[in-house]
Amino acid sequence: EAGVTQSPTHLIKTRGQQATLRCSPISGHTSVYWYQQALGLGLQFLLWYDEGEERNRGNFPPRFSGRQFPNYSSELNVNALELEDSALYLCASSLEGRSFSGANVLTFGAGSRLTVL
Amino acid sequence: AQKVTQAQTEISVVEKEDVTLDCVYETRDTTYYLFWYKQPPSGELVFLIRRNSFDEQNEISGRYSWNFQKSTSSFNFTITASQVVDSAVYFCALSEAKRVQGAQKLVFGQGTRLTINP
Repeated sequence: EAGVTQSPTHLIKTRGQQATLRCSPISGHTSVYWYQQALGLGLQFLLWYDEGEERNRGNFPPRFSGRQFPNYSSELNVNALELEDSALYLCASSLEGRSFSGANVLTFGAGSRLTVL
Repeated sequence: AQKVTQAQTEISVVEKEDVTLDCVYETRDTTYYLFWYKQPPSGELVFLIRRNSFDEQNEISGRYSWNFQKSTSSFNFTITASQVVDSAVYFCALSEAKRVQGAQKLVFGQGTRLTINP
């Protein structure tokens, strides 16, 4: 079974540009989560999508947005990039569904490393 | 608000030593779940264990063991006879059990970077 796959592995952008990161969940998983792991700051929750809808959002500005497609894959868009957006962006998937259970285990991808110059 | 604290930023030990990674959490919920994840240099977080708030039994899996104590809000992780392959960043995490839209995400601690030296 394929795991959570993310692309691109690495991305280099300059300030003010836009970045798009992509995530394919494990087959059968309907929920996708995005986390930001900036250097020394641990993992910060960004977004949670399920069944094509945004279910929850972390404390990030509106220039961080995303969507989930009918096949449950997801993309994260970061507009007007700033230097502090440089980080590893991790995607995770789970079988959440509408019957959310905190017990569900999130399976993570290897991440996309975004560098903003 | 939920919070997870991993006070040890970095730990370095010599191979075969035992090492304990501390995790302290805060939550107002009576039902919650605690997790440990391992992040090797490749970057991918690997699930290690899940424990619900009603199960305080300690768990052992090979060289890994976990000590959950609600009285001290701690969920510590011990590696016995450490090996170089155990070198990684380890994260403790907490999740609510609410079943409503907009429900809680997984809240992570800051992580502990464990280095096992040969």
